[in-house]
Amino acid sequence: AQSVTQLDSHVSVSEGTPVLLRCNYSSSYSPSLFWYVQHPNKGLQLLLKYTSAATLVKGINGFEAEFKKSETSFHLTKPSAHMSDAAEYFCVVRTGGGNKLTFGTGTQLKVEL
Amino acid sequence: EAGVTQFPSHSVIEKGQTVTLRCDPISGHDNLYWYRRVMGKEIKFLLHFVKESKQDESGMPNNRFLAERTGGTYSTLKVQPAELEDSGVYFCASSLYRGGSEKLFFGSGTQLSVL
Repeated sequence: AQSVTQLDSHVSVSEGTPVLLRCNYSSSYSPSLFWYVQHPNKGLQLLLKYTSAATLVKGINGFEAEFKKSETSFHLTKPSAHMSDAAEYFCVVRTGGGNKLTFGTGTQLKVEL
Repeated sequence: EAGVTQFPSHSVIEKGQTVTLRCDPISGHDNLYWYRRVMGKEIKFLLHFVKESKQDESGMPNNRFLAERTGGTYSTLKVQPAELEDSGVYFCASSLYRGGSEKLFFGSGTQLSVL
């Protein structure tokens, strides 16, 4: 079975410093991996997706993630945090047919002045 | 273009009552999904419609939950009778195609509180 594990439930950074949100996956074959973000009172929004075309995936708002098979990781990074990045982030793997997704438990990102 | 809309945004009901949640997908999207997040846990898949047909309902927790998508447009999710453990956020999502690298568009969810 495919699954994802988000290693931190809460991450706090200062504005202008780098962001690292960690995610490990478990899969018996090459997975389709995603990062979604949810801002307060908003719907889930796709940040980026990995579907084996390239290991370094660039997403919206300056975020990127690198697929590392040897480490079974798909960490999300951003060079410089902005106050508007404060939200909950979900690492997600596609499981089964269609768009059936399995979500991680989420990481709450706090950005401080 | 309108996104996925869900009604109501919040619902507070008593245990034993019935609640119906509604989802309007993006126009033309044949694929509609329901997910829910219970008590701060992970978001979990409930079911998948292709047009009006249930493609996968393996995530439906029990027979108190009934999802419909008559006419293949909007969908409803009815909980009858509601229990305390049904409290959580119910998300709806839609996509044009099934699978591949197709992007899912999510609504902002319905916060259900069962007292």
